[in-house]
Amino acid sequence: QLQLQESGPGLVKPSETLSLTCTVSGDSISDSNYYWGWIRQPPGKGLEWIATIFYGGNSYYNPSLKSRITSSVDTTKNHFSLRLGSITAADTAVYYCTRHLSGSIMTPAYWGQGTLVTVSS
Amino acid sequence: QSVLTQPPSVSAAPGQKVTISCSGVSSNIGSNYASWYQQLPGTAPKLVIYEDNKRPSGIPDRFSGSRSGTSATLDITGLQTGDEADYYCGAWDSSLSAGVFGGGTKLTVL
Repeated sequence: QLQLQESGPGLVKPSETLSLTCTVSGDSISDSNYYWGWIRQPPGKGLEWIATIFYGGNSYYNPSLKSRITSSVDTTKNHFSLRLGSITAADTAVYYCTRHLSGSIMTPAYWGQGTLVTVSS
Repeated sequence: QSVLTQPPSVSAAPGQKVTISCSGVSSNIGSNYASWYQQLPGTAPKLVIYEDNKRPSGIPDRFSGSRSGTSATLDITGLQTGDEADYYCGAWDSSLSAGVFGGGTKLTVL
């Protein structure tokens, strides 16, 4: 059974870089049928798409965040990661990692439980 | 400001039907599939409709979806108190090369 588990620092200082990792079990991150992704949700607010990542292929980033984002895939650890630079309070949110439906760029079918990231000095 | 537009809230009595709309433009809903997500309080969102009108395994047929022009719709019939949740629509935007969501609709089952 597919499981996704986010890990992150919990608390990040303004201007620092946020690093998040999504560990996947029950499927291979290098499976060419699937896109993987990140979505966030500020407290009390709606969903915001961050990125869709494809192992060995194109990745897509939210245009408003693109200049601050880097992503990577580690097939040896079966996880993928997101780094978001120049963090501000507006980046405080629950961050979810996702796996999309087969062949779909934008249909997150499986979600991790989410990890809350708070930006504060 | 979300790219896709949803009503902030809808409500209906148990057993009744509710419709949630999602309005976009030609580059997202107008040319790409819509999907719908249910988020119960304190939990991660769950996919309930994909490719406009398909249900994942385990989603009851009380949930249905459709798309016409630049709008998509989620219908829920036979409302139950357990359906109380926030519902979000999502789609790919070909012009932005980005995923987009609606702002979410809070469903209250009176």
